[in-house]
Amino acid sequence: SSELTQDPAVSVALGQTVRITCQGDSLRSYYASWYQQKPGQAPVLVIYGKNNRPSGIPDRFSGSSSGNTASLTITGAQAEDEADYYCNSRDSSGNHLAVFGTGTKVTVL
Amino acid sequence: QVQLVESGGGLVKPGGSLRLSCAASGFTFSDYYMSWIRQAPGKGLEWVSYISSSGSTIYYADSVKGRFTISRDNAKNSLYLQMNSLRAEDTAVYYCARRVTYYDILTGYYRGFYFDYWGQGTLVTVSS
Repeated sequence: SSELTQDPAVSVALGQTVRITCQGDSLRSYYASWYQQKPGQAPVLVIYGKNNRPSGIPDRFSGSSSGNTASLTITGAQAEDEADYYCNSRDSSGNHLAVFGTGTKVTVL
Repeated sequence: QVQLVESGGGLVKPGGSLRLSCAASGFTFSDYYMSWIRQAPGKGLEWVSYISSSGSTIYYADSVKGRFTISRDNAKNSLYLQMNSLRAEDTAVYYCARRVTYYDILTGYYRGFYFDYWGQGTLVTVSS
């Protein structure tokens, strides 16, 4: 099955911008979705499709994609954005499977 | 509002079985694909299985194929995961999630799916 690769950890100063990337062959054909997970909590969808935010997700979260790489950008990071972030996409092998990225820990300094 | 509530987790010995349930409310359950996703302690998310709205289409991750069975009862708004031949590496929090298919707005082409609502999870521990 396909793999989705993310940087293990990134840090960002309060109020600055951080971009998290997700690489994988499946992203050439399918959009990524992004999930935020805080300790002890269930994941929350923050971006899906081309660049769509569910209701209640702040507009400082945005998504983009180019080739085999999808990106999640937090513009003006807040302390409450400190969390693990996972990308997800459909497997590109034709087996209709789903695959999650390895996850990125975002620390807000 | 959409709610997904998992139950059925617990401690089980290697080789044992467990059945998880997910009670759905706040939406028309029979209209949606549903999925199970798990997370081992301190690890990332791992997709386990999904089932179509009617139950006619089912897929499993290779790691659980032949041991786990997903099912649903649309009359009861419930999703299930029967787990047999459990192994230590199946120890995880199991989440049920609603799956939504995504079609490109401009072209109408199928472009994958996403999981828009998740339950709080139920912990399964496989240990002797």
